[in-house]
Amino acid sequence: AQKVTQAQTEISVVEKEDVTLDCVYETRDTTYYLFWYKQPPSGELVFLIRRNSFDEQNEISGRYSWNFQKSTSSFNFTITASQVVDSAVYFCALSLNNAGNMLTFGGGTRLMVKP
Amino acid sequence: DAGITQSPRHKVTETGTPVTLRCHQTENHRYMYWYRQDPGHGLRLIHYSYGVKDTDKGEVSDGYSVSRSKTEDFLLTLESATSSQTSVYFCAISAGGGLPETQYFGPGTRLLVL
Repeated sequence: AQKVTQAQTEISVVEKEDVTLDCVYETRDTTYYLFWYKQPPSGELVFLIRRNSFDEQNEISGRYSWNFQKSTSSFNFTITASQVVDSAVYFCALSLNNAGNMLTFGGGTRLMVKP
Repeated sequence: DAGITQSPRHKVTETGTPVTLRCHQTENHRYMYWYRQDPGHGLRLIHYSYGVKDTDKGEVSDGYSVSRSKTEDFLLTLESATSSQTSVYFCAISAGGGLPETQYFGPGTRLLVL
């Protein structure tokens, strides 16, 4: 069975600091898909990124970047120059290419960015 | 916006009563999902549907049933609510093409079982 671990339950930073959210996953499948979602205080879940297991290129989107390393089974998320609006719970999730394509979520990391 | 609505958005009920939550989508997506969110557990899949009248169990399906009689509606029923079912419930659809498609979530339903 697959598993996703987000060891950091809460992180607090001051605005403009860089912060990295860790995600470690476990699966025996060679084909899998990784996701990050953001849950702001309003409660909705916002899709951020999706990455396939056969594509190890890192991705950058504005202040957000993602580092995918198969060798360490990690898919870490970095926010550069954090802002108060980045305060949210962030979830990492894993999907296999199987029936239902169900998502297995990590426990989430609560990020608090203080002004 | 994936065109997903959930109703009710908030509900308080008593132990032993039946409860039905509704997920409605407007874009004819084939796959629909029900998750529950609890502190420390992230989201866990309850049931999912891959078409009208086609459903399957997820990780935490005990105490829940689902039905999908129309493409646009996916209902989650707690036959006899228990306090352990107090949670936030999210519906999702998968969309966007590719295999697998990305899941997009509704606004959630906060359920309190007293």
